[in-house]
Amino acid sequence: NAGVTQTPKFQVLKTGQSMTLQCAQDMNHEYMSWYRQDPGMGLRLIHYSVGAGITDQGEVPNGYNVSRSTTEDFPLRLLSAAPSQTSVYFCASSQTGAEYNEQFFGPGTRLTVL
Amino acid sequence: KNQVEQSPQSLIILEGKNCTLQCNYTVSPFSNLRWYKQDTGRGPVSLTIMTFSENTKSNGRYTATLDADTKQSSLHITASQLSDSASYICVAPQGGSYIPTFGRGTSLIVHP
Repeated sequence: NAGVTQTPKFQVLKTGQSMTLQCAQDMNHEYMSWYRQDPGMGLRLIHYSVGAGITDQGEVPNGYNVSRSTTEDFPLRLLSAAPSQTSVYFCASSQTGAEYNEQFFGPGTRLTVL
Repeated sequence: KNQVEQSPQSLIILEGKNCTLQCNYTVSPFSNLRWYKQDTGRGPVSLTIMTFSENTKSNGRYTATLDADTKQSSLHITASQLSDSASYICVAPQGGSYIPTFGRGTSLIVHP
């Protein structure tokens, strides 16, 4: 099992550019989520999905889009990158969305927006 | 507002020493509290979960405690090793919610 994989590991964008962060899991997990981690702050939920075809907003969804066409994949799209989106992005998955389930995190994508 | 506060923000100890990290939460309704370890440049990995009815749980050299009355949890690390150098994050999801509340983490550095 590869677990949760993310690509790319590093990315530099210019303001206004768009891009997609890829996330995949091979554990047949129903629940997948995207977080951003900024210095001095806790992980904050951007979007989440409780199953294929179902997505919802987290705490900080503005400027990001997601879709979940398959159980395995959960890409995060930045529509028009802004310097405030400079951060480390983590994708996570768990068996279900129940609050007691352990979340398995990917290795992260470090994004810099100039 | 649901909050999870961790202390200290950072901690430096010598290899072989013990240490205790603190987590205070005001999440309601309370469901459980989980501790994650995050090595530099990696994603968090779960260490242990504490539910409402549990007071103490051990995972090797890691021992977590929970006091539901005072809404406090601690993570005690015994006989620290260099590999314990990491950020330790406390998470308390709100019962029935898909949005967990993460603490800011405690950065632990273990010196030889």
